[in-house]
Amino acid sequence: GQQVMQIPQYQHVQEGEDFTTYCNSSTTLSNIQWYKQRPGGHPVFLIQLVKSGEVKKQKRLTFQFGEAKKNSSLHITATQTTDVGTYFCASLMNYGGSQGNLIFGKGTKLSVKP
Amino acid sequence: EPEVTQTPSHQVTQMGQEVILRCVPISNHLYFYWYRQILGQKVEFLVSFYNNEISEKSEIFDDQFSVERPDGSNFTLKIRSTKLEDSAMYFCASTYTGTVQETQYFGPGTRLLVL
Repeated sequence: GQQVMQIPQYQHVQEGEDFTTYCNSSTTLSNIQWYKQRPGGHPVFLIQLVKSGEVKKQKRLTFQFGEAKKNSSLHITATQTTDVGTYFCASLMNYGGSQGNLIFGKGTKLSVKP
Repeated sequence: EPEVTQTPSHQVTQMGQEVILRCVPISNHLYFYWYRQILGQKVEFLVSFYNNEISEKSEIFDDQFSVERPDGSNFTLKIRSTKLEDSAMYFCASTYTGTVQETQYFGPGTRLLVL
């Protein structure tokens, strides 16, 4: 079945350093969504990318969707302690219908040392 | 801002017992989902529900699981005879149109512990 691979599994950075997590799929994705989950919390939607080569920015966060729509990345510039959490990419799976059920990557757990 | 709510926040049960996890989706949403997350692992899709019936289900969603929309606001997940490996965080989510372009809004989750 469709799978989304995400690396790295863990990332420890010093506050102020940059952070990047990557998602890859062997099949073309309809879109890619990114979620952040704080420790003990629930997934919170960050952004959705739909178009080939799309780049979106949210303050210090930059999201990219590959030209072939098989990979995506989330880059955080100058990390802060508030960035701590697990970042998941997710893609919508459907069986030809309009409804999408999310397939999540395994997530990248980010820790930031002050 | 409207949000998905879930009760209880925590549930401890004995193996073999039945549990019902409750969710109140965002009021004008039409598509509902259950996901689970075993501790330290990724979020996994269980089932989607629309128009009072299951739309899709994963291989995890076997005969011990069932979902129901008993009234106009609640959406429930029943686990008939819990097993140790059912211990996980269970998230409910909802969307308005359910299309592939739409954001899913997640509830805070119910942490289920089966002893």
